[in-house]
Amino acid sequence: NAGVTQTPKFQVLKTGQSMTLQCAQDMNHEYMSWYRQDPGMGLRLIHYSVGAGITDQGEVPNGYNVSRSTTEDFPLRLLSAAPSQTSVYFCASRHTGAGGPKNEQFFGPGTRLTVL
Amino acid sequence: KQEVTQIPAALSVPEGENLVLNCSFTDSAIYNLQWFRQDPGKGLTSLLLIQSSQREQTSGRLNASLDKSSGRSTLYIAASQPGDSATYLCAVLSGNTGKLIFGQGTTLQVKP
Repeated sequence: NAGVTQTPKFQVLKTGQSMTLQCAQDMNHEYMSWYRQDPGMGLRLIHYSVGAGITDQGEVPNGYNVSRSTTEDFPLRLLSAAPSQTSVYFCASRHTGAGGPKNEQFFGPGTRLTVL
Repeated sequence: KQEVTQIPAALSVPEGENLVLNCSFTDSAIYNLQWFRQDPGKGLTSLLLIQSSQREQTSGRLNASLDKSSGRSTLYIAASQPGDSATYLCAVLSGNTGKLIFGQGTTLQVKP
C-alpha cells in the first residue's frame, strides 16, 4: 500500500492564482481530512469528509474548497491564493466503518505552498 | 472545547537517557489518543495509538500511557538515541466532534 499520497510536494503561487492540491489514499478509508501547519499555530483542520459525496468545514475553511467524488481522492482547491495561505498542507485519512481497527489517523507527506 | 497541551515545548538530553514527554487534554470524552513523530520538513508518522479503554501501548523503546480521568498521557522513550531527535505530537480524537485535536508538540534533541 502507498498509504496517503499528496502532490505536488512544493508549489509557488502568485496572489490571486488558483490551484488544486491532490490527495489520494489506497486503504479504503472512509474519513479524509486536510490540515494546515503553521509555526506557533500547530495543525489546524481545514475541511473533512466522512465518505464519498459528503464534506464539511473544519476550523479554518475560508478560501478553500473540497469535493469527494470517490473514496480514494480528496482534492483541496485554493480559489484565489493569498499570502496568508502560505503554509504546509497535510492530507490525512482513517478507517471509521465496520470491522478492523478504527480511527488511527494516517498522514501524507505534505505540500509546501508559498504564495507571493 | 477540547484543548491539548504538551510540556515541555523543547527538550535536550544526552544519548542513553530515559525521558518522558507529557500531554494533557481538557475533555475526557475521547475515542483515542495518538502520538506522532515529525522530522523537520517531513510529514507525521504514527508512533502509538491508545484507545480510550486502554491504559498503555508499547512499541520497541516507546511506551505510551493514558489516564483518561485525569486528562493525561505520557510518552516514555527508553535509552534515547540521536535518531530519536524530532518533534513529537500528541493528538486526541474527540468523542463529541469526531475531530482530531493536536497539541503544539515537544521538540526533542538527543545529543551524542
